[in-house]
Amino acid sequence: NAGVTQTPKFQVLKTGQSMTLQCAQDMNHEYMSWYRQDPGMGLRLIHYSVGAGITDQGEVPNGYNVSRSTTEDFPLRLLSAAPSQTSVYFCATGVSNQPQHFGDGTRLSIL
Amino acid sequence: EDQVTQSPEALRLQEGESSSLNCSYTVSGLRGLFWYRQDPGKGPEFLFTLYSAGEEKEKERLKATLTKKESFLHITAPKPEDSATYLCASDAGNKLTFGGGTRVLVKP
Repeated sequence: NAGVTQTPKFQVLKTGQSMTLQCAQDMNHEYMSWYRQDPGMGLRLIHYSVGAGITDQGEVPNGYNVSRSTTEDFPLRLLSAAPSQTSVYFCATGVSNQPQHFGDGTRLSIL
Repeated sequence: EDQVTQSPEALRLQEGESSSLNCSYTVSGLRGLFWYRQDPGKGPEFLFTLYSAGEEKEKERLKATLTKKESFLHITAPKPEDSATYLCASDAGNKLTFGGGTRVLVKP
């Protein structure tokens, strides 16, 4: 049972490039969410989904897109990477719209 | 605006030295207060959810309590393996607001 799987684990991008962070879960949870974690800022919610076909914005959505075509997958897309998006990104899933299971993160550096 | 503040930012304990971590929150319509443990290079690991003032939950050497304005995580007789960052978060409906965390170091 893998739980929540995030890929890649590390990524370096140049300013202006685009990329997709992958999140897959095998627990059949309806709720999935993306957070970023920055030193001194704590975890901040980017986007979340309460089921396939349903997404909504969190606290810091600008510069990011999401979609939820299946229960299992919730990819996060950076449209045009900026240095301010250098961070550690965590995907989380849960029941009752509460995140209880986190992946181990994607460490993203933007030069 | 929902706010969650954790104190202290860092805590150094001797093995066996009990202590408490504080999580103060200002949230409209609290649906739950979460505690997580995070090890370096890993994602947060869920510990507890508390739903109402007066509620308490325990897991091994950890005990979480909740009042109307704050939550405490008590660590009783800690061991070096309890060293981690402990995060709390408030749930006001689909969106968790996290505190900055308390880094706990337990020395043998």
